Amino acid sequence: DAGVIQSPRHEVTEMGQEVTLRCKPISGHNSLFWYRQTMMRGLELLIYFNNNVPIDDSGMPEDRFSAKMPNASFSTLKIQPSEPRDSAVYFCASSSVTGTGYEQYFGPGTRLTVT
Amino acid sequence: AQKVTQAQTEISVVEKEDVTLDCVYETRDTTYYLFWYKQPPSGELVFLIRRNSFDEQNEISGRYSWNFQKSTSSFNFTITASQVVDSAVYFCALSESGNTGKLIFGQGTTLQVKP
Repeated sequence: DAGVIQSPRHEVTEMGQEVTLRCKPISGHNSLFWYRQTMMRGLELLIYFNNNVPIDDSGMPEDRFSAKMPNASFSTLKIQPSEPRDSAVYFCASSSVTGTGYEQYFGPGTRLTVT
Repeated sequence: AQKVTQAQTEISVVEKEDVTLDCVYETRDTTYYLFWYKQPPSGELVFLIRRNSFDEQNEISGRYSWNFQKSTSSFNFTITASQVVDSAVYFCALSESGNTGKLIFGQGTTLQVKP
């Protein structure tokens, strides 16, 4: 079975540009999570969705960040305009909240560099 | 409030040594799940194990073992006969209260295994 798919794997952009990160969760999973990882702040949860509905976006750093999940198999995280401090690795993860467990399966991440 | 503490920021051992990574958690829930994830230098986050609060039986998987003790709110991870490939950052996590699927991660422990 395919795992969580993220694209692009690497993104280099200039300050002020719009950046869109994409995620395809594992089929059948009903929860999706966006994380950001930096050396300084570690692993931070930005936002998560249950059944395509945003449940908690308190981790989104500011209005420049937005996330959508138009259907069960696709989500985007957008940064507009991007700034150098947004440089980080962005992970998407999915899980099945039904039944037992809650383990999240992570995608390979998108390494974002904003110059 | 729920919290996960990994007091060891970095651990360095020589190959073939045994090493234990500590994890202490706080929760008022009677039903909860605990997890360990591994993040090797390649960057992806790999799910290792899930444990529910009703099962205190220790788990062994090859050179890996986990010791769950509710009395001390700990879920420690031991690697026996460590190898260089075990070098990674290891995260402990706790399921959040309620049926959200959200995990609360510790800050991670960086393990370096030297040849």
